[in-house]
Amino acid sequence: DVKVTQSSRYLVKRTGEKVFLECVQDMDHENMFWYRQDPGLGLRLIYFSYDVKMKEKGDIPEGYSVSREKKERFSLILESASTNQTSMYLCASSLYGGRENTEAFFGQGTRLTVV
Amino acid sequence: RKEVEQDPGPFNVPEGATVAFNCTYSNSASQSFFWYRQDCRKEPKLLMSVYSSGNEDGRFTAQLNRASQYISLLIRDSKLSDSATYLCVVRFYSSYKLIFGSGTRLLVRP
Repeated sequence: DVKVTQSSRYLVKRTGEKVFLECVQDMDHENMFWYRQDPGLGLRLIYFSYDVKMKEKGDIPEGYSVSREKKERFSLILESASTNQTSMYLCASSLYGGRENTEAFFGQGTRLTVV
Repeated sequence: RKEVEQDPGPFNVPEGATVAFNCTYSNSASQSFFWYRQDCRKEPKLLMSVYSSGNEDGRFTAQLNRASQYISLLIRDSKLSDSATYLCVVRFYSSYKLIFGSGTRLLVRP
């Protein structure tokens, strides 16, 4: 079974703190993604990575950065947490499929609250 | 305009009913299409890919209409366990990005 593991289910952080969200996948997938999910807005892509040390901005990258030093690990960093970053964060991974449909597998999510 | 749009629902249907959801996408360069299912407080999971000729998986049928830029999901003989949010997902040609709709909520009542 594919497994995508996020380091925490729940986090509470203070405004201004630097926050690290970790994600590890065990299926040797090339692609990894970070989304946030908010009521009424659905899943919005923050960043994605298609290879080690490669990253591209998604639709809402402001206030976030990412790191992919190893193929299996993709970290999301909130440089200075703010209350509007309170959200559910979902990590996903998928094979590079070229033109083919490839399934994305999600971690269980991290519910982050910034106070 | 959102790249992928869905009616948020909720669709409230009795057990055994047939229900259909549509999803529209704005970019004609969209290439791959999926339906994901998300249970309350859980992560999304793939329900089915959507192929150009349409495809069926048990009680679920997915259709793609490229000319009108929409995909549909039909659920026959609804079960209580079908209650969930159904997410429409699109991937653009030559892109790694998966674009999600905000989901359609389905409630199946006894």
